[in-house]
Amino acid sequence: KAGVTQTPRYLIKTRGQQVTLSCSPISGHRSVSWYQQTPGQGLQFLFEYFSETQRNKGNFPGRFSGRQFSNSRSEMNVSTLELGDSALYLCASSPEGRSSYNSPLHFGNGTRLTVT
Amino acid sequence: QKEVEQDPGPLSVPEGAIVSLNCTYSNSAFQYFMWYRQYSRKGPELLMYTYSSGNKEDGRFTAQVDKSSKYISLFIRDSQPSDSATYLCAMNRNSGNTPLVFGKGTRLSVIA
Repeated sequence: KAGVTQTPRYLIKTRGQQVTLSCSPISGHRSVSWYQQTPGQGLQFLFEYFSETQRNKGNFPGRFSGRQFSNSRSEMNVSTLELGDSALYLCASSPEGRSSYNSPLHFGNGTRLTVT
Repeated sequence: QKEVEQDPGPLSVPEGAIVSLNCTYSNSAFQYFMWYRQYSRKGPELLMYTYSSGNKEDGRFTAQVDKSSKYISLFIRDSQPSDSATYLCAMNRNSGNTPLVFGKGTRLSVIA
């Protein structure tokens, strides 16, 4: 089975622009979660989608949004980029969403976003 | 106070050493505890998973949970250079589909 695929791998944007990141989960997985990883804050939860519905949301401003399509693929969008948005954005999928032994989170290799 | 605290290291050990990695947490509702390993330029991968208190062993890896102290550990025996990575603890509550809360990760280097 193919793993979680995130595109693009690297992205450089200018402050004030917007960006869209894409995630293709493992086939059959219905839950997709997004995390932001920075050296200072570590991995922080952005949001989770399950069957096209946002099920959980972290403490990020409204500039961060996402969606999930009927084929479980997901996108996240960041509008009005700020320098502090520079980070590794990780997508993870699981069959049901709850991270457990039988339903662990499988992470992609992330999109490295640099905002200049 | 952050919900999960983890010493970022870096930790450098010689090959063959026993490595101890630790996290403390403040939320007594946490029931599921995990360790992820993240190699450079890769996403985290699940290493160990435990539910509630106790020990779990898998090859050279042992995970321990002490809920009374709100303290979890990962031990690596006979460490190898291939174990060089960042190790992240993660945990979540036993209610519904709550997101994982991660520690910041400990960077480990095993020197041959």
